[in-house]
Amino acid sequence: ETGVTQTPRHLVMGMTNKKSLKCEQHLGHNAMYWYKQSAKKPLELMFVYNFKEQTENNSVPSRFSPECPNSSHLFLHLHTLQPEDSALYLCASSPLDGDVAEQYFGPGTRLTVT
Amino acid sequence: GQNIDQPTEMTATEGAIVQINCTYQTSGFNGLFWYQQHAGEAPTFLSYNVQDGLEEKGRFSSFLSRSKGYSYLLLKELQMKDSASYLCAVSESNYQLIWGAGTKLIIKP
Repeated sequence: ETGVTQTPRHLVMGMTNKKSLKCEQHLGHNAMYWYKQSAKKPLELMFVYNFKEQTENNSVPSRFSPECPNSSHLFLHLHTLQPEDSALYLCASSPLDGDVAEQYFGPGTRLTVT
Repeated sequence: GQNIDQPTEMTATEGAIVQINCTYQTSGFNGLFWYQQHAGEAPTFLSYNVQDGLEEKGRFSSFLSRSKGYSYLLLKELQMKDSASYLCAVSESNYQLIWGAGTKLIIKP
């Protein structure tokens, strides 16, 4: 158990649907991340929140919309997705106490866009 | 530019030793991480190197040479449960990691 949970674990949605992914961390960390993981490709950082403030948005299409209501919860709102958005979406958190810190990952949401 | 290279796939025998290499070119360097990811599961932290040299942790060791932009992960006494992908990542800042595509390690009996 890593202390980072994600729901749902699997999601199939059509291109016209709206859905949300949820992430919760129980570790008291200050930073939370959304990553996209596609087969045989490096993890792609999508968004970073530091103390609830978004600090990074790596040129992610607007059909992905993050929300961080508090330091423990992170959402990724999805709408009008494309088939190429099918991937594993991983949430992570880290303590950010000044030194470089490891990131703790959730199990991911396997997203299929039909 | 930023680039992290590691082999796509490796095969080894149970009980043997395997070395997974990682080379990197990044604009900054605050340390290098190795993570393990079993199929369908979350990546989990294995090691962190910021100084040159070898860090040993049980059956796993990780080596770093900053001047060569090179690291390796050494797995000894391989077990079937070590079959997984191994991800190399470089920290460019306190919270951003640049990731390699991962090495899928297949262990055969």
